[in-house]
Amino acid sequence: GEDVEQSLFLSVREGDSSVINCTYTDSSSTYLYWYKQEPGAGLQLLTYIFSNMDMKQDQRLTVLLNKKDKHLSLRIADTQTGDSAIYFCADVTGGGNKLTFGTGTQLKVEL
Amino acid sequence: DAGVIQSPRHEVTEMGQEVTLRCKPISGHNSLFWYRQTMMRGLELLIYFNNNVPIDDSGMPEDRFSAKMPNASFSTLKIQPSEPRDSAVYFCASSPPSGKLFFGSGTQLSVL
Repeated sequence: GEDVEQSLFLSVREGDSSVINCTYTDSSSTYLYWYKQEPGAGLQLLTYIFSNMDMKQDQRLTVLLNKKDKHLSLRIADTQTGDSAIYFCADVTGGGNKLTFGTGTQLKVEL
Repeated sequence: DAGVIQSPRHEVTEMGQEVTLRCKPISGHNSLFWYRQTMMRGLELLIYFNNNVPIDDSGMPEDRFSAKMPNASFSTLKIQPSEPRDSAVYFCASSPPSGKLFFGSGTQLSVL
C-alpha cells in the first residue's frame, strides 16, 4: 500500500523559515495536501497542490513538489509561535478521495 | 456551516462496555471518513463512506468495531466490547467530491 513518510520533529527560531519534508511512494497520486493540527484539535487543511504542478505559493506558505523523487515540502516563511503544531502531508491514492497521511512533523517555534 | 460535529468530545468507559461515537458531516459533503489517532500508530483510516455506502473498511481493527451511516447527515462508530488498547482520539471527516477533507474536533476515548 501507499507509504507517506515525514521526519518527526523540527525546531526553528521565530522569524526564520521552516521547511517540512515529506516523501510518498504512489506515483499515481493526483493531489497532495498539507494539514495542520494544533493541540486538542482536529486537522485543518492548510494548502494543497495538484500533481501536475511544481510549486504553489499561498501567503507565507510555499509548497514544492518533485514528482520524479516523490518528494513534497512545505516552507513557512517568517515562522511565528502560532505556527507551532503538528503538520501532516497526505496524498490521494487509489481513486476517489481516500487520503493516506504521513506520520506528522511536530514543529516547535522558539523565541 | 458549523463544520463537522462529533460527540461526545470526551468518553471515559470501562473495559467491556459498549462505546458509540457520533458524527454529523458538513451538509452537502458526499464522503465521510473515520480515523483513529494514537502516538504509536499515528493517523489511521478505519472506514470511509461514499453517498452513505461503506467503500473501504479494511482499516477496521476487528469485529468489535462497526460503523454505520443511515443517512447523509449522520454516522456512528461503535466499539463493543471496548478494550484499553482502543484508547485513542477518533476523528470524523467529511469531504465534497473535490477530495478536500474537513475534520471534526475528535472524540478522546479512554478505556480503563
